[in-house]
Amino acid sequence: EVQLVESGGGLVQPGGSLRLSCAASGFTFSDYWMHWVRQAPGKGLVWVSRMNIDGSTTNYADSVKGRFTISRNNAKNTLYLQLNSLRAEDTAIYYCARCKNWECFDLWGQGALVTVSS
Amino acid sequence: QSALTQPASVSGSPGQSITISCTGTSSDVGGYDYVSWYQHHPGKAPKLIIYEVNDRPSGVPDRFFGSKSGNTASLTISGLQAEDEADYYCSSFTTRSSWVFGGGTKVTVL
Repeated sequence: EVQLVESGGGLVQPGGSLRLSCAASGFTFSDYWMHWVRQAPGKGLVWVSRMNIDGSTTNYADSVKGRFTISRNNAKNTLYLQLNSLRAEDTAIYYCARCKNWECFDLWGQGALVTVSS
Repeated sequence: QSALTQPASVSGSPGQSITISCTGTSSDVGGYDYVSWYQHHPGKAPKLIIYEVNDRPSGVPDRFFGSKSGNTASLTISGLQAEDEADYYCSSFTTRSSWVFGGGTKVTVL
């Protein structure tokens, strides 16, 4: 089955860290740019970051630049997002999604909930 | 990067047509033909319904139609059905090598 499955979410204190994972299956992971998109409670979708097929290019939203780091392991078909210096406003469901030839984003995971609270 | 502007809500009766607008700038919607639309039922993963302004992924019915004029993209849903009730988001690639989403539109089928 073609799918993306996020894991690693949870409750973390302000200033803390967390690493999200996104496991891909059923398709050639290394053919796709991969992205993270988040949705705060009751709010809309917000793009967070992207990485190209071999990991040599990354881009970030201004709101997370310098705090979040995207990475991937094509041998393990897995995308990661390291979240550091977390703030209350980072509380959201984090989705991973894929993109190829501008058909973006044609597959999404079910999301991982990150809650930043003391 | 400011979010693209969408109406908060749009409604229509079964069988009718509705149109959702998505307004950006020359740095995003107006600058590229890389505009996508997503259907999102709460609690589920978003679903791509339009990419590159007016292309439909396989399996998406032709009741969904995308277009663009200047800095504004539009999604038209014709023959509205009960299962079309959902949140709809547009997105666009930007000159900053990033993506930006619209604020979302809640579609209600009366």
